[in-house]
Amino acid sequence: GEEVAQTPKHLVRGEGQKAKLYCAPIKGHSYVFWYQQVLKNEFKFLISFQNENVFDETGMPKERFSAKCLPNSPCSLEIQATKLEDSAVYFCASSRGESGTGIFGYTFGSGTRLTVV
Amino acid sequence: GQSLEQPSEVTAVEGAIVQINCTYQTSGFYGLSWYQQHDGGAPTFLSYNALDGLEETGRFSSFLSRSDSYGYLLLQELQMKDSASYFCAALTYSTLTFGKGTMLLVSP
Repeated sequence: GEEVAQTPKHLVRGEGQKAKLYCAPIKGHSYVFWYQQVLKNEFKFLISFQNENVFDETGMPKERFSAKCLPNSPCSLEIQATKLEDSAVYFCASSRGESGTGIFGYTFGSGTRLTVV
Repeated sequence: GQSLEQPSEVTAVEGAIVQINCTYQTSGFYGLSWYQQHDGGAPTFLSYNALDGLEETGRFSSFLSRSDSYGYLLLQELQMKDSASYFCAALTYSTLTFGKGTMLLVSP
């Protein structure tokens, strides 16, 4: 399809619980990106994939965050032992690739709102 | 590191023209993008400038000056539906780095 599908739309977790978010990128887009947005402010880059390979993970808090993009499966972002500060909207985006990333931009999903209580 | 500065809020009236400025400090800079976000929803891509100069897309135009590390988004004939947050974003080899966003409030 022509949209990036993120599930679930909302997720509530108690502190210390695990959270798993999913993203189905647009078919034919070879790059996937995860961003965190707190209180509608700036987007914090977490990780990117080129197909199923990690492309850039410089934004990932590695102790508790992990992500995967496996063939024929939605990409996933997992947070172990959630903390209150993890409460945010997590956006997934996909793009056509290096040559098309600028001109066509990223296509974002509608996000998953994670609330840690 | 990477940083982008833009005003936090801009107000204007319907039919007016507004300019949202963005200055950036980015290593490995490829180009400057602009995204619109309505009320925390999915950001949507508006424009991209890789070269100096003005790019026009309907009521929206975007400008880039690489030598000044500066760009702007120009919105003409403002409509109420243009009330949203606008983010400039610097494209590098591996990702987009976003500014903190400018909230545009359009009043009747």
